[in-house]
Amino acid sequence: EAGVAQSPRYKIIEKRQSVAFWCNPISGHATLYWYQQILGQGPKLLIQFQNNGVVDDSQLPKDRFSAERLKGVDSTLKIQPAKLEDSAVYLCASSIRTGVGSYGYTFGSGTRLTVV
Amino acid sequence: AQSVAQPEDQVNVAEGNPLTVKCTYSVSGNPYLFWYVQYPNRGLQFLLKYITGDNLVKGSYGFEAEFNKSQTSFHLKKPSALVSDSALYFCAVIKEEGRRALTFGSGTRLQVQP
Repeated sequence: EAGVAQSPRYKIIEKRQSVAFWCNPISGHATLYWYQQILGQGPKLLIQFQNNGVVDDSQLPKDRFSAERLKGVDSTLKIQPAKLEDSAVYLCASSIRTGVGSYGYTFGSGTRLTVV
Repeated sequence: AQSVAQPEDQVNVAEGNPLTVKCTYSVSGNPYLFWYVQYPNRGLQFLLKYITGDNLVKGSYGFEAEFNKSQTSFHLKKPSALVSDSALYFCAVIKEEGRRALTFGSGTRLQVQP
């Protein structure tokens, strides 16, 4: 079974620039998550999709972050404009479904963003 | 609301000795509890989970964890540590019902000395 694919692996941008991350979940996984992991901290949920609908985006800084999962498969997370404090690893995960089934998470390797 | 606390930023243990990484949780209702491990430049890897049943859960790489409802704890343990166990460990929780995502603790760095 192929894992969760993320790209790019690394990205360095200047503040106020924009950046986009891509995630392709495991085939058949209806639920997709984006987490932000700042150095020295645990992952924090940014947004949760069920198919192509948003389940939870309460911690997404909507003034600068956006995410979409148009066809219910792969997803893109965008930051525009980036701030220094956005430097982090962005992790994508997928699971078969939410709720009781959500314990079957699989994480991608992440994208490490450095904002200078 | 759901949360987990990992009170130790780092745990140091000698190879061959038993190790414990602590985790306490706070969730209304029945919790589902997890341990993940993260190696440098790698994603999170699942170690074990408690859903229901026996309080002692066995997982990957010889790790186990004990669910203690009265103390709201879910400590990770291993009888004999290996140098290769050195990594960052995260405890996570999700409420049994609902559609919430996993909530992670702040992580504990395990350093196993040869």
